[in-house]
Amino acid sequence: SSELTQDPAVSVALGQTVRITCQGDTLRSYYASWYQQKPGQAPLLVIYGKNDRPSGIPDRFSGSSSGDTSSLTITGAQAEDEADYYCKTRDSSGNHYVFGPGTKVTVL
Amino acid sequence: QVQLVQSGGGVVQPGRSLRLSCAASGFVFNDYGMHWVRQAPGKGLEWVATVWFDGGKKFYADSVEGRFTISRDNFRKTLYLQMNSLRPDDTAVYYCARRGGADVFDIWGQGTMVTVSS
Repeated sequence: SSELTQDPAVSVALGQTVRITCQGDTLRSYYASWYQQKPGQAPLLVIYGKNDRPSGIPDRFSGSSSGDTSSLTITGAQAEDEADYYCKTRDSSGNHYVFGPGTKVTVL
Repeated sequence: QVQLVQSGGGVVQPGRSLRLSCAASGFVFNDYGMHWVRQAPGKGLEWVATVWFDGGKKFYADSVEGRFTISRDNFRKTLYLQMNSLRPDDTAVYYCARRGGADVFDIWGQGTMVTVSS
């Protein structure tokens, strides 16, 4: 199996920019996808692939990757962006999936 | 609209079994692989199992291999998770999710709570 690491928590002032990172060996081979989860709700896909957003996801969300690290950036964070964010990719076998431990984003 | 509606779940004693269901609507169910993901109370997301669009291949997390079985009925457009030999550490909210393009989990069910306790 493989592991992904994320910062446990970050904070950002309203309207400012925050970057969340996800590190793991298999990110050299597979793209990460990013999921937003608010309390009591199911996760929501926000970014995937090189830097793609599902329909309905605001363009303030963007993604990037370099080497073994993938990043999710929120440019101009809004109060409604306060949530837990999880990265996900495949493990080294290629047959299993692994989630990062999650990053709690607080908008001040 | 595209949705996954879950049923099943509840409180069960250790060692017993439980089956979860996930009914799909609004898309061609047999075109998509499907997953189960769980989240223990206060913890992060954990991938549990995956089944191919045609049921031809199935994959499991090490933590549930040999105890859980993922299956699907494409005629009924329903995904299942049969959970046997349940343990207290299986206590979690269980989500079904669709495997979308680019290998993402693009549609999620509402989640169902499973509590394993004597």
